[in-house]
Amino acid sequence: KQEVTQIPAALSVPEGENLVLNCSFTDSAIYNLQWFRQDPGKGLTSLLLIQSSQREQTSGRLNASLDKSSGRSTLYIAASQPGDSATYLCAGHYNQGGKLIFGQGTELSVKP
Amino acid sequence: SQTIHQWPATLVQPVGSPLSLECTVEGTSNPNLYWYRQAAGRGLQLLFYSVGIGQISSEVPQNLSASRPQDRQFILSSKKLLLSDSGFYLCAWKKPGTASNEQFFGPGTRLTVL
Repeated sequence: KQEVTQIPAALSVPEGENLVLNCSFTDSAIYNLQWFRQDPGKGLTSLLLIQSSQREQTSGRLNASLDKSSGRSTLYIAASQPGDSATYLCAGHYNQGGKLIFGQGTELSVKP
Repeated sequence: SQTIHQWPATLVQPVGSPLSLECTVEGTSNPNLYWYRQAAGRGLQLLFYSVGIGQISSEVPQNLSASRPQDRQFILSSKKLLLSDSGFYLCAWKKPGTASNEQFFGPGTRLTVL
């Protein structure tokens, strides 16, 4: 069964801290892994997508890595800001049709 | 640029009433379209996806149905709502035939069934 897990469920950090969010998946036959941000009551914003042939992707203060052999992905946020407070979701693509398997998310709070 | 719209933004319906949620995409042709539901404590679950007009695949058996009457329009329906249908419904699209499979989501519809 294809499952995606995110730990911790919630994280609180002071402003300026660098942090890592974790995502693990049970099936290594993954096509891509996508990281999203969700603000309360809003839709999902795509942050980064890593293809199975890649090991990492970067966008601004965000860096996402993918290790298929260990079934893990991480999202690194540098110099966190209060505006980064949101729920972060990772999702694995398991076929060309685009079916996404989502983790439960990590709720991040960055305190000023 | 591409944009995705969902209507309505919020909806409160009594048990047993019908449902119709609409999703439209602008700025692209022949997108793959998806309906997801986000229920409290259960994460995001894929309900339906479509690779073309009139082509619908169902992922979860339930009292919901989907239709794609036009290339960039995706509709989620129910004849009789249940309490368990409450949740946040999200529509998503992706470009067909691309290796990246990146999906882009709409703003969502919050459905409360009373």
